[in-house]
Amino acid sequence: DQQVKQNSPSLSVQEGRISILNCDYTNSMFDYFLWYKKYPAEGPTFLISISSIKDKNEDGRFTVFLNKSAKHLSLHIVPSQPGDSAVYFCAASVSFSGSARQLTFGSGTQLTVLP
Amino acid sequence: KAGVTQTPRYLIKTRGQQVTLSCSPISGHRSVSWYQQTPGQGLQFLFEYFSETQRNKGNFPGRFSGRQFSNSRSEMNVSTLELGDSALYLCASRESWGQYEQYFGPGTRLTVT
Repeated sequence: DQQVKQNSPSLSVQEGRISILNCDYTNSMFDYFLWYKKYPAEGPTFLISISSIKDKNEDGRFTVFLNKSAKHLSLHIVPSQPGDSAVYFCAASVSFSGSARQLTFGSGTQLTVLP
Repeated sequence: KAGVTQTPRYLIKTRGQQVTLSCSPISGHRSVSWYQQTPGQGLQFLFEYFSETQRNKGNFPGRFSGRQFSNSRSEMNVSTLELGDSALYLCASRESWGQYEQYFGPGTRLTVT
């Protein structure tokens, strides 16, 4: 049972345009969400996050939107650059056993930004 | 600070063999998690260690095991390797198991033939 889903395995966007990556989740106990970016032969690196008490978080060209009622979040990249080409993973955090937290990842979306 | 390091980076093993992967977390980080990445499956959580104790475990068979040492370094062992174990194994560390963000190493690419 996939609790975090990224239904688009790949996305191609022209340089300078907006990239929108989507993520859906099923567990209403998730209260913190993160996006990671992964280049080939490297581990995932943290990109941006959002708490469930917010609906938007912005960091430069990257903005994450959270729609709790729809259990949906999206990552917007504006403008897209060729260096943004990577696999993007959505992750959701839930607490358990008191203060412990566990991350659940989606299957990833390969973003290709065409020059 | 140096990042998370994993050794070896690449490994080729035969079915039925066993393998041990190593992970050194960022200095000061006491929590180490292991993930398996396969195409189309994303990152599947294996287990997390904190202060030398396994704190959480994913849905993997008992062939997958791990341990953590007093210096927070961690090892993961897979016994009786199967072809389906071929994957990228990622290690991630964080200061404590209550921290949101995890920092990943480059991974170990395991190929089982």
